[in-house]
Amino acid sequence: SQTIHQWPATLVQPVGSPLSLECTVEGTSNPNLYWYRQAAGRGLQLLFYSVGIGQISSEVPQNLSASRPQDRQFILSSKKLLLSDSGFYLCAWSRDTNTGELFFGEGSRLTVL
Amino acid sequence: GEDVEQSLFLSVREGDSSVINCTYTDSSSTYLYWYKQEPGAGLQLLTYIFSNMDMKQDQRLTVLLNKKDKHLSLRIADTQTGDSAIYFCAESINNQGGKLIFGQGTELSVKP
Repeated sequence: SQTIHQWPATLVQPVGSPLSLECTVEGTSNPNLYWYRQAAGRGLQLLFYSVGIGQISSEVPQNLSASRPQDRQFILSSKKLLLSDSGFYLCAWSRDTNTGELFFGEGSRLTVL
Repeated sequence: GEDVEQSLFLSVREGDSSVINCTYTDSSSTYLYWYKQEPGAGLQLLTYIFSNMDMKQDQRLTVLLNKKDKHLSLRIADTQTGDSAIYFCAESINNQGGKLIFGQGTELSVKP
């Protein structure tokens, strides 16, 4: 069966510090991978998606970047965090691009102080 | 642009039916989705409906789709305390699979 793991689960970082959130998927190959952010208002916003190694599409301009160094690994990064980067970050994968059946990780809660 | 709207809160008594409503704007969406989020956790797909259907039933869940009014609803029969969670309606961005636009989520509170 397929599983998705995110870490760290919780992170408190000062403004201006770097960020690295990692997500890995097991039990499937060539998944489509996504990073979503859930801000305090609860709505989810798509940040990045990837259909293959090294292929990253950004949905919104921001202070964050994403990379996919391996087939089942997706990393969310920032060189210098802003207060507005605080939120709940969710990684997800899907089998194909035709349906919105996403499988989400447990999330990483980032607080920037 | 695309938008999905939901009411933020719903409170019901255990054993009653819950109805969560959603309106969306992108009429080209092939599928519409309901996701469930329990406290502090990621989202889990509950059910989805194909756009050429009016209704889909899956055990205690009934999804109704009114394409003319761009209105989607999720009915949970015999609501239990374990159903307490946030429920998100979602549609695909420009009908592109996993690129979803989510509503704000409806927090369902089930009182014993």
